[in-house]
Amino acid sequence: ETGVTQSPTHLIKTRGQQVTLRCSSQSGHNTVSWYQQALGQGPQFIFQYYREEENGRGNFPPRFSGLQFPNYSSELNVNALELDDSALYLCASSSAQLTPHGYTFGSGTRLTVV
Amino acid sequence: GESVGLHLPTLSVQEGDNSIINCAYSNSASDYFIWYKQESGKGPQFIIDIRSNMDKRQGQRVTVLLNKTVKHLSLQIAATQPGDSAVYFCAVADSNYQLIWGAGTKLIIKP
Repeated sequence: ETGVTQSPTHLIKTRGQQVTLRCSSQSGHNTVSWYQQALGQGPQFIFQYYREEENGRGNFPPRFSGLQFPNYSSELNVNALELDDSALYLCASSSAQLTPHGYTFGSGTRLTVV
Repeated sequence: GESVGLHLPTLSVQEGDNSIINCAYSNSASDYFIWYKQESGKGPQFIIDIRSNMDKRQGQRVTVLLNKTVKHLSLQIAATQPGDSAVYFCAVADSNYQLIWGAGTKLIIKP
């Protein structure tokens, strides 16, 4: 059984650019949640995807968008990058909606915006 | 809305002693609470959870205590080991079961 895989592991972008982060969910999981974790802080919920539809969104602007594919993998896209977007982006998958107990987290993508 | 805070950003404990990490939450209607462990360079890992209809739950070497009267949650780790070194987060599920996290307590184990 494979876990959650995120790519890339590290990324450096320039302010104003766009970025796409990828997440492969654990086998058998159909729900993916994305979190932003600033240095020294707890993760903050960005949004969740269930069966290819957005299912809940945190307090993030529309330039944060996502997709989920038929194989339940997911992308997080961020447009018009700002310096404050520098953070660890975590993906978590689970086997059903609304079950934080069953979340499996990836190791994250460290995004640095310069 | 809900807010979650931890009492100490860092906790230093002697190897073999018990560790207690504390957390406070703001919403008295909160129903579901979770503790996560995050090691350096890794994503958070589920440790233990508890629902509001309980005040104590035990796992392997870990115990979570919930005091709804004062909106306080604690994680107790028995016989702390070097492998317990990590940042510990409490998280509270909101009405949509999305998680609201505290800032984390870094547990340091002294040999």
